[in-house]
Amino acid sequence: DQQVKQNSPSLSVQEGRISILNCDYTNSMFDYFLWYKKYPAEGPTFLISISSIKDKNEDGRFTVFLNKSAKHLSLHIVPSQPGDSAVYFCAALKNSGYALNFGKGTSLLVTP
Amino acid sequence: NAGVTQTPKFQVLKTGQSMTLQCAQDMNHNSMYWYRQDPGMGLRLIYYSASEGTTDKGEVPNGYNVSRLNKREFSLRLESAAPSQTSVYFCASSESGGYSYEQYFGPGTRLTVT
Repeated sequence: DQQVKQNSPSLSVQEGRISILNCDYTNSMFDYFLWYKKYPAEGPTFLISISSIKDKNEDGRFTVFLNKSAKHLSLHIVPSQPGDSAVYFCAALKNSGYALNFGKGTSLLVTP
Repeated sequence: NAGVTQTPKFQVLKTGQSMTLQCAQDMNHNSMYWYRQDPGMGLRLIYYSASEGTTDKGEVPNGYNVSRLNKREFSLRLESAAPSQTSVYFCASSESGGYSYEQYFGPGTRLTVT
């Protein structure tokens, strides 16, 4: 049973615009959330994370928002660049746990 | 500093054959992990090793065994490969468990079982 859901398999955005990737989770025991970025033929690389005690975390062009009551988080990329084209995975973790629970991923295409 | 390395990069097996996927990290991390990724799916945890000398099952452990050979190396063994084990396998490592410690991933091993 998928506990972390990314309901949009793909997203296409023009360069310079905002990309918004969404993620929902069902397990209320999750208290830490991460976004990973993956290029073809490479392993995922960590992008940004947020603890459940926060509702927003920023790192340069990337911002993650968490709505705990709705069990929903989103990743905003502003401005989007062609090099951002990749698959983005949302993942969730229980504190002191080891197992990352991944969503199925959203493939982002940023067009010039 | 290579990070997490995996061998081989590609492998084709016949049903029933066995093989071992190798993983090594040079970051002095305590915890290591094996995930698999199937088409259109997220990564799923097979086994993990919280620290040298310990291993635990993840979400999909059936058909696999693991060995934490030392702090650097964590291998995944398929004793009798099945077509359902066709997947991309990723090894990862982190300083420890919990949210303070980012998991770093290797480049993956693409395995096909015919």
